Amino acid sequence: GIQVEQSPPDLILQEGANSTLRCNFSDSVNNLQWFHQNPWGQLINLFYIPSGTKQNGRLSATTVATERYSLLYISSSQTTDSGVYFCAVESSSGGSNYKLTFGKGTLLTVNP
Amino acid sequence: DTEVTQTPKHLVMGMTNKKSLKCEQHMGHRAMYWYKQKAKKPPELMFVYSYEKLSINESVPSRFSPECPNSSLLNLHLHALQPEDSALYLCASSQAHINGPYYEQYFGPGTRLTVT
Repeated sequence: GIQVEQSPPDLILQEGANSTLRCNFSDSVNNLQWFHQNPWGQLINLFYIPSGTKQNGRLSATTVATERYSLLYISSSQTTDSGVYFCAVESSSGGSNYKLTFGKGTLLTVNP
Repeated sequence: DTEVTQTPKHLVMGMTNKKSLKCEQHMGHRAMYWYKQKAKKPPELMFVYSYEKLSINESVPSRFSPECPNSSLLNLHLHALQPEDSALYLCASSQAHINGPYYEQYFGPGTRLTVT
């Protein structure tokens, strides 16, 4: 099946700093989503971005599907940005409809 | 409204108990999912229902029994679980799709299950 690798695994920032999280995937994809999992376990949708660039406030994301990677940018980080950030993809290979495969996540800690 | 609700929030059950987890969405989605997430691990797909029919079972043990009584509801019936089944169980929904177009999945808050 498709492999999803996220980097870095852990990231510690001071409030106000910027960061870039990376997601590499091993096959072409129909769907790519970025999630933030808060300390209570809720997965919050950040971006649905199988290709192209999107922005939402301090967050933006870019997926270069031909090179099989996606980037999540967080600017002016806040303590509430802390948590685990997951990249999840749906492979375009046959038989993979609906199946989201998650990377292992990036644990972000923002200190005041 | 992009809300998926799950009940209960927490559940403690013995290995001989029978319990059910419930999931509901009112977004008109026709695909619904169960995921299992162990501590410090990513979610893993268990089951997918599309148009109320089971379309994916990721080789889940029979002690987990899914049910989709209608397009808004998804249940997960639990019986004779083991302590290693303790985990966060997440429900998700999306527009249904076969070979495109493709849609994002929305997740509920999860049920934290402890098996004693």
